[in-house]
Amino acid sequence: KQEVTQIPAALSVPEGENLVLNCSFTDSAIYNLQWFRQDPGKGLTSLLLIQSSQREQTSGRLNASLDKSSGRSTLYIAASQPGDSATYLCAVGANSGYALNFGKGTSLLVTP
Amino acid sequence: GAGVSQSPSNKVTEKGKDVELRCDPISGHTALYWYRQRLGQGLEFLIYFQGNSAPDKSGLPSDRFSAERTGESVSTLTIQRTQQEDSAVYLCASSLSGGRSSEQFFGPGTRLTVL
Repeated sequence: KQEVTQIPAALSVPEGENLVLNCSFTDSAIYNLQWFRQDPGKGLTSLLLIQSSQREQTSGRLNASLDKSSGRSTLYIAASQPGDSATYLCAVGANSGYALNFGKGTSLLVTP
Repeated sequence: GAGVSQSPSNKVTEKGKDVELRCDPISGHTALYWYRQRLGQGLEFLIYFQGNSAPDKSGLPSDRFSAERTGESVSTLTIQRTQQEDSAVYLCASSLSGGRSSEQFFGPGTRLTVL
């Protein structure tokens, strides 16, 4: 069974800092990896989707990398802002089945 | 365009009652997924629809849970004889196609509380 782990569980940084969120998964046979943000009381917003054949994806201040062989992905957020405060979820699409397997998330607080 | 919508946003019910949760996917999306998120836990997959068939029901936790979908449109998740452990946020997602590489887009969820 695919296990997805996110470290750290919580992170607090001052505005303007660059930061890295980590995601690891136990089974490298994946189709894709997706990063989401979840705001309190709201659903998930898709941030980046990386296919298994890709190494990274970028969107604005966000950059996600994928190292399938080592079972790791990182989400890099540049020049953090208070509006980035949310829970960030990593989800892996396995080769078997159609589900996304989620980590428990990293709760990020960016202070002004 | 409109995103995935779910109703109700909140549902409080008594133990033993049946509940129905509704999901309207993004128009044109053929694939639809149900997940749940219990307090302090990660999201758990429940069921996947491609059109109105469900090739993957592996996440349904018991026979009290069932789901159906009308064509490539609305889906209903039904929980019979609810138990307190069913309390969770139930999230629906859709994707343009059913391929495993497709990006999933989520609705705001239905928060279910079983007293």
